[in-house]
Parts: sequence; C-alpha cells; structure tokens
Amino acid sequence: SQTIHQWPATLVQPVGSPLSLECTVEGTSNPNLYWYRQAAGRGLQLLFYSVGIGQISSEVPQNLSASRPQDRQFILSSKKLLLSDSGFYLCAWSMAATNEKLFFGSGTQLSVL
Amino acid sequence: QKEVEQNSGPLSVPEGAIASLNCTYSDRGSQSFFWYRQYSGKSPELIMSIYSNGDKEDGRFTAQLNKASQYVSLLIRDSQPSDSATYLCAANTGGFKTIFGAGTRLFVKA
Repeated sequence: SQTIHQWPATLVQPVGSPLSLECTVEGTSNPNLYWYRQAAGRGLQLLFYSVGIGQISSEVPQNLSASRPQDRQFILSSKKLLLSDSGFYLCAWSMAATNEKLFFGSGTQLSVL
Repeated sequence: QKEVEQNSGPLSVPEGAIASLNCTYSDRGSQSFFWYRQYSGKSPELIMSIYSNGDKEDGRFTAQLNKASQYVSLLIRDSQPSDSATYLCAANTGGFKTIFGAGTRLFVKA
C-alpha cells in the first residue's frame, strides 16, 4: 500500500530564516506530487505540483520554491521566510493516471515569528 | 476566479441524526468532486468522490451532485460523535488543480 511521509510536524522559525520541508512517497511510482498551504479557517491553496523529476509548476508567485530531486521526493524551500508564510503545509500525491484523488501527508504546522 | 463555496458552520446535530453538508462551485467545467474530512490539527482524508449527476452511497455517507445547479452535498446518516470534524468540498476540472472550499465544521452531540 502507498504511504506518504512528511516532516517535521511542527516548526517555529524566525522571520528571514530559511525553510526546508520534505515529503516522500512509498509504494507507488511516478506519482504526481503537490504542496498545499492551509491558513487558519481557509481552504487549501495549491502552491506547487510536479508530474516528474525536475518538473515543477508554480501556482502562486511568492518567496517559496519547490524541487523534486527523486521520483518520490518533494521538497518545499524558502531562502527568507515572511510572517505571511505561517500556515499548515500539506504534501499530497495522486496517481499519474488520474490527477484527481489526493492523498495527504500528516502536514507541517509552520509558525514564523 | 474559480471558487468552491461552503457554509463555514458550525453545523450541530444530535447523535443518530442525519447531517447535511452543502457546497456550490463556480466553474462549469468541473468534472470531479470530492469530500474530505479533516480533524482538528490533522490532514484532510478523502471520504467520497462523485463524477456523475445523482447520488453515490458508501456506508453511512451519500454524496449528491447536481451539475445544472453546480451543487454538491454530503449526507451523513446515523451521525456519531466521531464524525465531528471539518468537511472540505473540492472540485477538479480535469487538470492538476483541485479547488477546495474553506470547509464546514460539524459537531455531533452525544
């Protein structure tokens, strides 16, 4: 069966510090991978998606970036965090054949102070 | 802008009752619709998907879709306190972007 791992679970970072969140998927090959952000009381906002190694599509211009160095690894980064980057970050995967059903990791609660 | 709208709630129902959750979507090109359940502090979990007009039943859950009215609903029969969570409605137009509503908070009172 497929599993998705995301870490860390919580993170408190000062403004201006760098960020690296990692996500890995097991039990499937060539998944579509996604990074979402959920602000308090808000819907999920798609940040990035990837259909393959090195292929990244950005949905929202901001100071975040994503990379996919391996088939089942997806990384979200920032060089300098802003207060507005605080939120619940979720990695998700879907089968390449059907882009639709999303399976989420456990999430990272990021607080930028 | 493509949107999915939900009543934020909270919706409060007694244990054993039917909980009815509703959502509307703006993009007529949407083809696939989903309900996710999200417990506080946890990640969303897919509970239902629906693609055609009508009803789709899975255990105590029934999803309903009306594309003409751009309306999706989720019925939870015999509601249990463990059903207390935020329910997210989502729509996909066939590409990589799934649009989520902000969610409806459901409380099931024992």
